[in-house]
Amino acid sequence: LAKTTQPISMDSYEGQEVNITCSHNNIATNDYITWYQQFPSQGPRFIIQGYKTKVTNEVASLFIPADRKSSTLSLPRVSLSDTAVYYCLVDLRNTDKLIFGTGTRLQVFP
Amino acid sequence: GAGVSQSPSNKVTEKGKDVELRCDPISGHTALYWYRQSLGQGLEFLIYFQGNSAPDKSGLPSDRFSAERTGGSVSTLTIQRTQQEDSAVYLCASSFPTSGSGSSYNEQFFGPGTRLTVL
Repeated sequence: LAKTTQPISMDSYEGQEVNITCSHNNIATNDYITWYQQFPSQGPRFIIQGYKTKVTNEVASLFIPADRKSSTLSLPRVSLSDTAVYYCLVDLRNTDKLIFGTGTRLQVFP
Repeated sequence: GAGVSQSPSNKVTEKGKDVELRCDPISGHTALYWYRQSLGQGLEFLIYFQGNSAPDKSGLPSDRFSAERTGGSVSTLTIQRTQQEDSAVYLCASSFPTSGSGSSYNEQFFGPGTRLTVL
C-alpha cells in the first residue's frame, strides 16, 4: 500500500512563501494528488489537486515532478490565518482506498 | 446550501457499549467517506461508499466496526463493544461521483466530525 510522508511541522512568517513537500513513492499511474487544509476542531478543506507538472489556483500552486513520487504545495504569501495542518492525499484508484499523509503543521508568525 | 452534517457532535460512552454515528452528506453527492482522527494524529481512512456500495471494507479497524448506507444518502458507522482505543474524532465526507479510473476524483467536503470518548 502506498505510503505518504510529510514534514511534521514548519514555521514561517507573514508574507513569506511556504513550500510543503509530500513524498509518495508508490504512487500508481492513475492516482491523483490532492492537498487539504485543516484547522483545529474542523474537518479538512480542499486546497488543490493535480496529476502532473504544475497546477495553480487562487490560493496555492502544486508542483509535481515527472516521476510523480513527490509533490510540493506552495503557498505564495502566507498570513496568520494560514496556520493549520496541511495534508496530502493520494487517491489509490486501483484499490478503493485513500491515503492521507501524516500532515504538516504550519505555524505562521507575525 | 447545507454542508455535510454529522450527529451526534459529541458522544461519551462506557467501554463495551455500542455506538452509532450518523452522516448526512450533501444532497446529490453519491460518494461518501468515513475517516478516523485520533487526538493530534492524521486522518485514517476507514471506508467509502459509491452509492450504497462499499467496494472495500478492509480499512475498518476491526470486526467491531461496520458501516452502511441506504438510499444513497445517510450513512451510519456502528462500533460494537467499544474500547478505549476507539476514542477519536470520526469524520465523514462526501463528494460527487468519482469519474472512474484514470480521471481525477472529486473534492471531498467534510463534516464537523463526531468526537467519541470511551470511558
